[in-house]
Amino acid sequence: DQQVKQNSPSLSVQEGRISILNCDYTNSMFDYFLWYKKYPAEGPTFLISISSIKDKNEDGRFTVFLNKSAKHLSLHIVPSQPGDSAVYFCAATGGGTGRRALTFGSGTRLQVQP
Amino acid sequence: GAGVSQSPSNKVTEKGKDVELRCDPISGHTALYWYRQSLGQGLEFLIYFQGNSAPDKSGLPSDRFSAERTGGSVSTLTIQRTQQEDSAVYLCASSLDRASSYEQYFGPGTRLTVT
Repeated sequence: DQQVKQNSPSLSVQEGRISILNCDYTNSMFDYFLWYKKYPAEGPTFLISISSIKDKNEDGRFTVFLNKSAKHLSLHIVPSQPGDSAVYFCAATGGGTGRRALTFGSGTRLQVQP
Repeated sequence: GAGVSQSPSNKVTEKGKDVELRCDPISGHTALYWYRQSLGQGLEFLIYFQGNSAPDKSGLPSDRFSAERTGGSVSTLTIQRTQQEDSAVYLCASSLDRASSYEQYFGPGTRLTVT
């Protein structure tokens, strides 16, 4: 069973508009959430993270929102730029001390049209 | 350039052969992870090293897979008697793994093709 789900395999937006990528999780032990961007033939690149004690974290054009009661998080990119076109992965970790392996969603391919 | 590096970038091997994949983590990162991404799949956790503790091998798919980390730095993932289903991109990541800082930084990956 998928503990982290990204239900939209792809998203297309116009340059300058907002991109909203969504992610749902089922494991209530998760307490830290991350977004990664991945270009073809490269490893995932860390973008932004959020601890479960917060509901929002902002870094430049990127904002992550966490709704714990709904077990939902989203990544907002404003304004979107053609260079943002990539596959975006949501990831989560948790369970107290010890291994902090990430559980990844299946990814959303974002295409920003010039 | 102090990122995570992996070698080789590509490896083609015949079924039944052994392969070794190498990872150099970011200096000072105590935690090291191996993941793999098979075609059309998400990233799958394989093994975790943290400092001098015994590794967490709970993600390894079979006993043909093993890994070691020497001197708390470089890690080698070994796959014995490779099978076609082992074909995937193998990714290494390192992390500080301190409280509230669990970001993992990934290398470019090794694309393994078993023919």
